[in-house]
Amino acid sequence: GENVEQHPSTLSVQEGDSAVIKCTYSDSASNYFPWYKQELGKGPQLIIDIRSNVGEKKDQRIAVTLNKTAKHFSLHITETQPEDSAVYFCAVSTPGGYQKVTFGIGTKLQVIP
Amino acid sequence: SAVISQKPSRDICQRGTSLTIQCQVDSQVTMMFWYRQQPGQSLTLIATANQGSEATYESGFVIDKFPISRPNLTFSTLTVSNMSPEDSSIYLCSASGRGTEAFFGQGTRLTVV
Repeated sequence: GENVEQHPSTLSVQEGDSAVIKCTYSDSASNYFPWYKQELGKGPQLIIDIRSNVGEKKDQRIAVTLNKTAKHFSLHITETQPEDSAVYFCAVSTPGGYQKVTFGIGTKLQVIP
Repeated sequence: SAVISQKPSRDICQRGTSLTIQCQVDSQVTMMFWYRQQPGQSLTLIATANQGSEATYESGFVIDKFPISRPNLTFSTLTVSNMSPEDSSIYLCSASGRGTEAFFGQGTRLTVV
């Protein structure tokens, strides 16, 4: 099955700095790569996603890049704010249907005011 | 996006008992899933809830322990049977429509004592 590795597991940045979280995957047939943000006591919330025919996607302060050849993708958050503090999960679709996903281990991001 | 409601949001149960978790989606969806998230861990897929037929379970999860129903396109239940302290986790319902992203409920925090 698909194997997703995510790092770092924890990340502390000063408010206003950028944060980068990286993930690698094993199945070259995977074609959908969402990122979720989970705040304490809540379910994961989709924040951005990218499909395999696109190399980069941006939404305000959040961007995702995908390198299919190397089988890795990254989340970039610029101008971080305290409300960005949460656990972030990368995920990868399993071949055959992109709604069913395999999650990375998660990155706990702390933005220090 | 779909709005997913889960009940109960949390519960404390005695070992040996069973708990049924309900998941209601506000619109018709194609796929519904159940995940488990152990404290401080990532999300692990338990099963895909199939409308009108038996659920499809992932490796390590069995129907006798986690019976699932999905009587229509917008509702599903997960039962955690004969509970032990090791079943203490957050259980999450996820849903997606045809060609759309997967969304999550807020989760059910289960503690078994």
